[in-house]
Amino acid sequence: AQTVTQSQPEMSVQEAETVTLSCTYDTSESDYYLFWYKQPPSRQMILVIRQEAYKQQNATENRFSVNFQKAAKSFSLKISDSQLGDAAMYFCAYRSLLGKLSFGAGTTVTVRA
Amino acid sequence: GAVVSQHPSWVICKSGTSVKIECRSLDFQATTMFWYRQFPKQSLMLMATSNEGSKATYEQGVEKDKFLINHASLTLSTLTVTSAHPEDSSFYICSARYLAESSYEQYFGPGTRLTVT
Repeated sequence: AQTVTQSQPEMSVQEAETVTLSCTYDTSESDYYLFWYKQPPSRQMILVIRQEAYKQQNATENRFSVNFQKAAKSFSLKISDSQLGDAAMYFCAYRSLLGKLSFGAGTTVTVRA
Repeated sequence: GAVVSQHPSWVICKSGTSVKIECRSLDFQATTMFWYRQFPKQSLMLMATSNEGSKATYEQGVEKDKFLINHASLTLSTLTVTSAHPEDSSFYICSARYLAESSYEQYFGPGTRLTVT
């Protein structure tokens, strides 16, 4: 099974500032998907952003962007202009083309007003 | 986007009883459904994968006789926790996958909180 590592258990950011969450993964496959999911206090899993490994261009969704470094097996998430509603637990996840999701341990993001 | 529902959202049961959790894909046909377990402030742990009309595939360490999974239709999967004990208390999340283009999107239900007393 693929291993997904999130080395930051907790991150704190001032409202309107930027925070970057790190994620590394281990795989021998050349084609796969990477995801960032958000889990707010409601515990509903919400897809934040998705990256296909064959695409060199980093994915962007409004204030959320990733830095995908395939050779380094790194997939960080940048949250710009942080808002109070961004406070949640964020999970990095890996999936092979037809496989199962493998989740990291998660990073709790706190946004300070 | 596609919607997945779970019922109930919260259930309390007595030790030794069984409880059934339903997972429904409301506006799409889910060829594959997944069941996860999550403890507070921890990650999601995959319990099993179920494909419509066939037996579920359980992850290593998950007791298949305790966690019965049925995926009888393309819109419904059920997880039955049999002879529940307090250590089975947890948050259970289902997700469903359907074929959309080549991305095989996966959508999550809102989760079910199980408390065994």
